[in-house]
Amino acid sequence: DIQMTQSPSSLSASVGDRVTITCRASQGIRNDLGWYQQKPGTAPKRLIYAASSLQSGVPSRFSGSGSGTEFTLTISSLQPEDFATYFCLQHNTYPRTFGQGTKVEIK
Amino acid sequence: QVQLVQSGAEVKKPGASVKVSCKASGYTFTDYYMHWVRQAPGQGLEWMGWINSNTGGTKYVQKFQGRVTMTRDTSISTAYMELNRLTSDDTAVYYCARESSLDVWGTGTTVIVSS
Repeated sequence: DIQMTQSPSSLSASVGDRVTITCRASQGIRNDLGWYQQKPGTAPKRLIYAASSLQSGVPSRFSGSGSGTEFTLTISSLQPEDFATYFCLQHNTYPRTFGQGTKVEIK
Repeated sequence: QVQLVQSGAEVKKPGASVKVSCKASGYTFTDYYMHWVRQAPGQGLEWMGWINSNTGGTKYVQKFQGRVTMTRDTSISTAYMELNRLTSDDTAVYYCARESSLDVWGTGTTVIVSS
């Protein structure tokens, strides 16, 4: 199975901060990676697909980059509604595997 | 818009079975596989398998082989996931999600296994 190592597991940030979250795959997955946002009690919502493509309707402050084994989600200017948990998913190989999640909290 | 609406929360005794439904709307149901994922309290996400909504073919994670059954009813655009011989470790929120990249997720179904 492909292991997805996500870091950090949590972070505290202020509104307006730039935030970066990383996922590392244990083997190459091309760009078969998505980033999701999940708020308590709700279903995950995909923000980024194919590692760097912005899902329709998602604000442009979210961006993704990377290919192969190293991937990054960046929030350019954190907004109050962005406080949530973020995780990555690789869909290159079965079984699908996820990063452990990053909880973004208010500083 | 694409929506996946799941059935309501369930409380089950150990050893029982649970069947969760996932009703799709806003797209042609048979054009996309349906995947199932679960999230135990305080744990990460765990992919369980998929069903080909057109043919009914399935693929399950080995961990759940023999205990999970995924089916669908194309007449009502609904997928189902049944899990047998429940234990407390199966307490989780169960999600359906569309297609191989899991682009759209269902509303989630909480399953609590407790004696």
